[in-house]
Amino acid sequence: GIQVEQSPPDLILQEGANSTLRCNFSDSVNNLQWFHQNPWGQLINLFYIPSGTKQNGRLSATTVATERYSLLYISSSQTTDSGVYFCAVDRSYNTDKLIFGTGTRLQVFP
Amino acid sequence: DTGVSQDPRHKITKRGQNVTFRCDPISEHNRLYWYRQTLGQGPEFLTYFQNEAQLEKSRLLSDRFSAERPKGSFSTLEIQRTEQGDSAMYLCAKTGDLYTDTQYFGPGTRLTVL
Repeated sequence: GIQVEQSPPDLILQEGANSTLRCNFSDSVNNLQWFHQNPWGQLINLFYIPSGTKQNGRLSATTVATERYSLLYISSSQTTDSGVYFCAVDRSYNTDKLIFGTGTRLQVFP
Repeated sequence: DTGVSQDPRHKITKRGQNVTFRCDPISEHNRLYWYRQTLGQGPEFLTYFQNEAQLEKSRLLSDRFSAERPKGSFSTLEIQRTEQGDSAMYLCAKTGDLYTDTQYFGPGTRLTVL
């Protein structure tokens, strides 16, 4: 099956710093989503981005489908950005059975 | 608000007992998914429904697990004869609408089997 690897596994930042999270996947995909899991366990959808670039406030994401990777950029990080960031992909057109990466744990300190 | 509620939020049970979880998407959607997340891991797909039809089940879903979506709206996930290895967060997700593949997750049910 498709493999999804995320890096770095852990990231510690001071408030105001910028960061880039990476997601590599081993096969072509039709669905790619980025999620933020907050300390209470809620998964929050950040981007649906099987290809191209999107921006939402301080967050932006780029997926280069031909090279099988996606990047999530966080600018001017805040303590509320802390949590685990997951990339999830699916190859199919019909089921969207998401395969999640191992996640990047982000801690932002004031 | 993701438009998905789950009940209960926490469940503690003794090994060997049966448990049932419920997932309610606020509005009806074609596709509804169940995932399981153990500590330190990403969620893993268990099963999904299109309307009331259960179309795919993961090998993770042993014969002690059963899921239903009787009227194509809410769904239940039952675990019979629970084992300590079943301790995990059980997550339900829906697609946003008929035309997008974005999945929106509920808050999850955290199961602890003693």
